[in-house]
Amino acid sequence: DGGITQSPKYLFRKEGQNVTLSCEQNLNHDAMYWYRQDPGQGLRLIYYSQIVNDFQKGDIAEGYSVSREKKESFPLTVTSAQKNPTAFYLCASSPWTGITGELFFGEGSRLTVL
Amino acid sequence: AQTVTQSQPEMSVQEAETVTLSCTYDTSESDYYLFWYKQPPSRQMILVIRQEAYKQQNATENRFSVNFQKAAKSFSLKISDSQLGDAAMYFCAYSDSAGKSTFGDGTTLTVKP
Repeated sequence: DGGITQSPKYLFRKEGQNVTLSCEQNLNHDAMYWYRQDPGQGLRLIYYSQIVNDFQKGDIAEGYSVSREKKESFPLTVTSAQKNPTAFYLCASSPWTGITGELFFGEGSRLTVL
Repeated sequence: AQTVTQSQPEMSVQEAETVTLSCTYDTSESDYYLFWYKQPPSRQMILVIRQEAYKQQNATENRFSVNFQKAAKSFSLKISDSQLGDAAMYFCAYSDSAGKSTFGDGTTLTVKP
């Protein structure tokens, strides 16, 4: 079945460590996105990519990094510079038709900093 | 920057009844899309319904319909004949001309049997 796969579902990190969250899609979508979700808040955009080897910062990019070497993959690295990384992270993709950007989501990854 | 406001953090409805979730947004653009997404307790977000701003006719998907008031920048979701499976957090979202989506803070809907 086509969809978006995020891994791991749960991740624990010690302070000072970098961690990488995986996001893979087999929907042949051009655009991919990373969102952060905190309790009681909506989704906030971290990074997005509309084409391979290109990506843009979203509203809260500080302390995060991404790469887009393949169309189907968009991993997110949470660096030690991210001051409050404990959150739920959602990856999404969209068939790039610009403004009509309906999003297809993965099941999410929950990161907890110990 | 666009903003999306959902003024009802929590709502509840009796099974089989109708409930309306509110959403307002702020934008200076004339061409955009609006969406309602559902996030059940299993956490995977799915699309409920979408509305193109240039269309005056309100979108409908089975028991879900919207009341889109462009001048008032209002985009409410009506759920008819509510079912237990409708219990979830609902997010209103705005998609701009660059394809970036902005989300509201969500409304948690409880369905009472």
